[in-house]
Amino acid sequence: DGGITQSPKYLFRKEGQNVTLSCEQNLNHDAMYWYRQDPGQGLRLIYYSQIVNDFQKGDIAEGYSVSREKKESFPLTVTSAQKNPTAFYLCASSELNTEAFFGQGTRLTVV
Amino acid sequence: RKEVEQDPGPFNVPEGATVAFNCTYSNSASQSFFWYRQDCRKEPKLLMSVYSSGNEDGRFTAQLNRASQYISLLIRDSKLSDSATYLCVVSLSGGSYIPTFGRGTSLIVHP
Repeated sequence: DGGITQSPKYLFRKEGQNVTLSCEQNLNHDAMYWYRQDPGQGLRLIYYSQIVNDFQKGDIAEGYSVSREKKESFPLTVTSAQKNPTAFYLCASSELNTEAFFGQGTRLTVV
Repeated sequence: RKEVEQDPGPFNVPEGATVAFNCTYSNSASQSFFWYRQDCRKEPKLLMSVYSSGNEDGRFTAQLNRASQYISLLIRDSKLSDSATYLCVVSLSGGSYIPTFGRGTSLIVHP
């Protein structure tokens, strides 16, 4: 089935640790996005990529990094510089100017 | 001013009621408009696209008012299963397409 797969579904991070969230799509979409959602809040854009080997910062990129080496993959690293990383992370993909499709999300908790 | 604004609610309505949500956007160059539904602790899923001429899908009707820069969602004959958060999404056209989300409107349908 075509879709977007995020892994893991739940992730626990210790203070000062870097963690990487996986996002893979087989929809052949050019654009991919990472959003963060806090309880009771909307989605805030972290990074986006509209073509392989290129990506742009979103509204809250500090403390995060990404790569886009392959069209189907857009991993997000939450670095130790991100002081409040506990949140629900959503990856999405789309063709340009069409609706976005989401993965099931990763819940990251700092322990 | 936020780019996309929604009344967070909650809207608490009885089964069978008609309920309407509005969403305003600040960028007059916005070209694509969508409504998404998000259930608790799940990823957003596309409910419907919003076209300039308005569109209807069963009990759901979406309207776009470019002059006043708002979109609306009307739900008729509300069901218990309609209880969810409804997210308004707006984006620019062309190469700078980035889906921008409102914080969502919570709907609770009670017996």
